[in-house]
Amino acid sequence: GEDVEQSLFLSVREGDSSVINCTYTDSSSTYLYWYKQEPGAGLQLLTYIFSNMDMKQDQRLTVLLNKKDKHLSLRIADTQTGDSAIYFCAAFLGGGYQKVTFGTGTKLQVIP
Amino acid sequence: NAGVTQTPKFQVLKTGQSMTLQCAQDMNHEYMSWYRQDPGMGLRLIHYSVGAGITDQGEVPNGYNVSRSTTEDFPLRLLSAAPSQTSVYFCATRTSGYEQYFGPGTRLTVT
Repeated sequence: GEDVEQSLFLSVREGDSSVINCTYTDSSSTYLYWYKQEPGAGLQLLTYIFSNMDMKQDQRLTVLLNKKDKHLSLRIADTQTGDSAIYFCAAFLGGGYQKVTFGTGTKLQVIP
Repeated sequence: NAGVTQTPKFQVLKTGQSMTLQCAQDMNHEYMSWYRQDPGMGLRLIHYSVGAGITDQGEVPNGYNVSRSTTEDFPLRLLSAAPSQTSVYFCATRTSGYEQYFGPGTRLTVT
């Protein structure tokens, strides 16, 4: 089955850019997501990218997809203290297949 | 439009007790899922449903039952709680597309 891996922790200074990385194993994954989880809350869909795209930009967020290496990254420009949260990468095969496979999450700490 | 709601928010059970975690959605989404979140393990799929009357197992179904009699509701039943079921449980819905919406979660402790 699909495996999705992320590093567990990232610390950045306020105003810097953050880059959170993710690797996945199933090259058939059709959709790749980034979710944000704040303490005590559910998961909020931040952005997603289709597997036929290389890059997607959405305000301060930039998603890069390297299909050859099965590597996904999320760049947050001008990181703010409100960006402190756990970020989950997830992969979905699409179609009738239901399972979304999640990574273990990367805890982003923003230092003022 | 409340989206996805879950009750209760917190629950403490003794080993062997049973309970039902409730999930309701008002978005008329076909697909509903239950996940559990454990430290260092991401989210793991317990059960899912592709529509009323249709359910199937995810990757960690043992100890849990589900049913889907309406589009709106997808309860998760723990028949005989065990300490290994201490976790945070999330319900999620999606349309036939790709955007998945999560409820706020139920934090369950089994002693």
